[in-house]
Amino acid sequence: QKEVEQNSGPLSVPEGAIASLNCTYSDRGSQSFFWYRQYSGKSPELIMFIYSNGDKEDGRFTAQLNKASQYVSLLIRDSQPSDSATYLCAVTGYSSASKIIFGSGTRLSIRP
Amino acid sequence: EAGVVQSPRYKIIEKKQPVAFWCNPISGHNTLYWYRQNLGQGPELLIRYENEEAVDDSQLPKDRFSAERLKGVDSTLKIQPAELGDSAVYLCASSSGQGAGGTQYFGPGTRLLVL
Repeated sequence: QKEVEQNSGPLSVPEGAIASLNCTYSDRGSQSFFWYRQYSGKSPELIMFIYSNGDKEDGRFTAQLNKASQYVSLLIRDSQPSDSATYLCAVTGYSSASKIIFGSGTRLSIRP
Repeated sequence: EAGVVQSPRYKIIEKKQPVAFWCNPISGHNTLYWYRQNLGQGPELLIRYENEEAVDDSQLPKDRFSAERLKGVDSTLKIQPAELGDSAVYLCASSSGQGAGGTQYFGPGTRLLVL
């Protein structure tokens, strides 16, 4: 079992719809959760981070964390063609010794 | 504010040759990361520095890879000798604060092709 799992996709969503990306993790001690967006041939860039159970909203993006079920999700409302990219989930703990683990990413395609 | 700088952007070498990558983090960021990313995969951490100290190098193949971060600023990652399987994108990232829980800012990466 991978430590951080994501569906590789591609996930195809019509423009204007809600895109839902999911990530599960195996380490119950994980404390910090990040979503990065990576365009083809580019480096990852941070979309959102979340530390507490529940929802966190930032513009069209909402991150949802459920530590009991060990999953974190990213919702993208009003999807735009520019949202087409690979979305990477990253998980780590608070301590200095914590490791950061990235998932393999989900490829999202927004169709006009 | 300048972002994370990496050089070179591209490198093509023959197997068994040495290669080195350089990274200059965002000013004031004390944590620096080196990752390797293969096609279709997420970044895999090779080493994490907090200032000059390598606090996590458990994934660094120490028989051929080495890294240093003198004076807690710039860092160099070296491979000697390179193997075909080392072809990948090598990413450098930096963050402020301690630990691996900070927001990371990535450089543009170095694309390595080993022939």
